[in-house]
Amino acid sequence: NAGVTQTPKFRVLKTGQSMTLLCAQDMNHEYMYWYRQDPGMGLRLIHYSVGEGTTAKGEVPDGYNVSRLKKQNFLLGLESAAPSQTSVYFCASRPSRKEAFFGQGTRLTVV
Amino acid sequence: EDQVTQSPEALRLQEGESSSLNCSYTVSGLRGLFWYRQDPGKGPEFLFTLYSAGEEKEKERLKATLTKKESFLHITAPKPEDSATYLCAVQGYSGGGADGLTFGKGTHLIIQP
Repeated sequence: NAGVTQTPKFRVLKTGQSMTLLCAQDMNHEYMYWYRQDPGMGLRLIHYSVGEGTTAKGEVPDGYNVSRLKKQNFLLGLESAAPSQTSVYFCASRPSRKEAFFGQGTRLTVV
Repeated sequence: EDQVTQSPEALRLQEGESSSLNCSYTVSGLRGLFWYRQDPGKGPEFLFTLYSAGEEKEKERLKATLTKKESFLHITAPKPEDSATYLCAVQGYSGGGADGLTFGKGTHLIIQP
């Protein structure tokens, strides 16, 4: 049982480049989330999904897009990366009204 | 808007020295309060969920309690392996909002041998 798997684990981008972060969960959870974690800021919600085919904005959505074409996958895209998007990104999933399970994170540096 | 404040930001204890971490929160109706542990370079690991005031949960040396305004994570006779950042999060009935968890900034706990 892999739980929540994020790929890649590390990435360095140049300003203006694009990339997609993949989150996969094998627990058949309805809800999936993307957070970013920055020093002194805690975890902040970027986008979330309450089921296949649905997405919604969280606290800090600007500069990011998401898609949930399959229930088990939640993709986070950066169309034109900026240094302010340097962060550690965490994906999480959960069944309704239960605790969330987190992936191991993706450390992204934008230079 | 849901808010979570954790204190202290950092805490250094001697092995065996018991203490408590605080999580103060404001929500528009509490659906759940969650405690997580995060080790360096890892994702948060679930510890407890509390749903209503007066509820308590225990796991090994950890005990979480909940009131209407705050939660405490009590650590009894800690060991060095308890060193980590402890995160508190709430889910409220924010209606049309994120439906995700609102996290505090965490308490960085160091247990010295």
